[in-house]
Amino acid sequence: ETGVTQSPTHLIKTRGQQVTLRCSSQSGHNTVSWYQQALGQGPQFIFQYYREEENGRGNFPPRFSGLQFPNYSSELNVNALELDDSALYLCASSSPGAGGDTQYFGPGTRLTVL
Amino acid sequence: KQEVTQIPAALSVPEGENLVLNCSFTDSAIYNLQWFRQDPGKGLTSLLLIQSSQREQTSGRLNASLDKSSGRSTLYIAASQPGDSATYLCAAINQAGTALIFGKGTTLSVSS
Repeated sequence: ETGVTQSPTHLIKTRGQQVTLRCSSQSGHNTVSWYQQALGQGPQFIFQYYREEENGRGNFPPRFSGLQFPNYSSELNVNALELDDSALYLCASSSPGAGGDTQYFGPGTRLTVL
Repeated sequence: KQEVTQIPAALSVPEGENLVLNCSFTDSAIYNLQWFRQDPGKGLTSLLLIQSSQREQTSGRLNASLDKSSGRSTLYIAASQPGDSATYLCAAINQAGTALIFGKGTTLSVSS
C-alpha cells in the first residue's frame, strides 16, 4: 500500500510569483485535504476535495485554489505569493464513511517566499 | 468557532517516566479527535483516533481518552523512551467531517 506523497519537497519563490504543489493520495482514498503549517504553529485547514469537488474551505483567501483529479491526486495553487505564505504545506488523504475517518498525512512541501 | 489548546507547550522527562499530555477544545460537538506525532520538519503520523461515541483508544504504550462533556482529551505515554521525543498534536474534526482543527502541540524531549 502506497502512502501519501507530495512534490516537491522544498521550493523557493519570490513575492508575487505563483506556485503549484502536488499530492498523491493513499491507495483507495477519495478525499484530499490541504493544510498550512507556519513555524511553531499547528496546521491550519485550507480546503478539502472529495471526488473532484471542493468539500469545505478554511479561512484562506481566493488566491489559494485547488484541484482534484479522477485518480484522486490533488494540486494546491497559490497566486501572488506573499512572505507570510512561507510554511510547510501538508496534504492528507482519507476515505470517510468507509470506516476510515483517520487522515493520513504526507511528508509536506516546505515553501520559502523571499 | 472551535479552538484547541494543548498544555504544556514543552515537556522534558527522563527515560522511563509515564507522562500525560493534555488537549482541550471549546466546542463539544466534535465528530472525532485525533492525536498525531510530528518529528522536526516532517509530516504528521497518526497515533490514535477516538470517535465521538468512544471514551478511549489504546495502541501499545499509548492511551488516549476523550471527555466531550468537559472538552478534554489526554494522551498517556507509558515508560517513555528517547525515541518518543517529538511534537505531539491533537486535532478535533468538525461535525461536517472535513476540517481538522489543531492545537499548537506539545514538544516532548525524553533524555536517556
